[in-house]
Amino acid sequence: DIQMTQSPSSVSASVGDRVTITCRASQGISSWLAWYQQKPGKAPKLLIYAASSLQSGVPSRFSGSGSGTDFTLTISSLQPEDFATYYCQQANSFTFGPGTKVDIK
Amino acid sequence: QVQLVESGGGLVKPGGSLRLSCAASGFTFSDYYMSWIRQAPGKGLEWVSYISSSSSYTNYADSVKGRFTISRDNAKNSLYLQMNSLRAEDTAVYYCARKLTYDAFDIWGQGTMVTVSS
Repeated sequence: DIQMTQSPSSVSASVGDRVTITCRASQGISSWLAWYQQKPGKAPKLLIYAASSLQSGVPSRFSGSGSGTDFTLTISSLQPEDFATYYCQQANSFTFGPGTKVDIK
Repeated sequence: QVQLVESGGGLVKPGGSLRLSCAASGFTFSDYYMSWIRQAPGKGLEWVSYISSSSSYTNYADSVKGRFTISRDNAKNSLYLQMNSLRAEDTAVYYCARKLTYDAFDIWGQGTMVTVSS
């Protein structure tokens, strides 16, 4: 089975900061990767699919890149509503990464 | 609007059974693969199962294979998860979700809590 790791597990940042989260697959998954945002008590929200395609309605400050085994989610200028936990998910067996919590510095 | 609403969660004893339902609205349900995904309290997301648009294909996580059964009724715009032989480790919020062609999940329900405890 393909395993997913994320780093960092948590990050403290300020409004306006650029934040980058990394996701690594234990074997190549081409571009079959998605990113989600989850706030406490809420369902996850799809941000990025196919590694770099922005889901409709998601602000352009979110971007994704990568292919093969290494992927990144970048928030170009962190906004107050972006404090949340972020998960990557690979499409082969739908495995999710362990999550990265973005909180206020 | 596009919406998924789960129901059927609750408290059940180990070894018991429960059937979850997910009502879809605002889109052509029969066009989409659907899935169940769960999240144990304070933990990450775990994919549980998916079913093809016509029910021809199903797949399960190893952790639930042989105990859970996914099904759907396209006439009723509904998705189901029959859960048997429940264990404490099945305790989680269960979400239904719509699967895109790119194997991402774009629409999620609000979730229904399942607690397995004696």
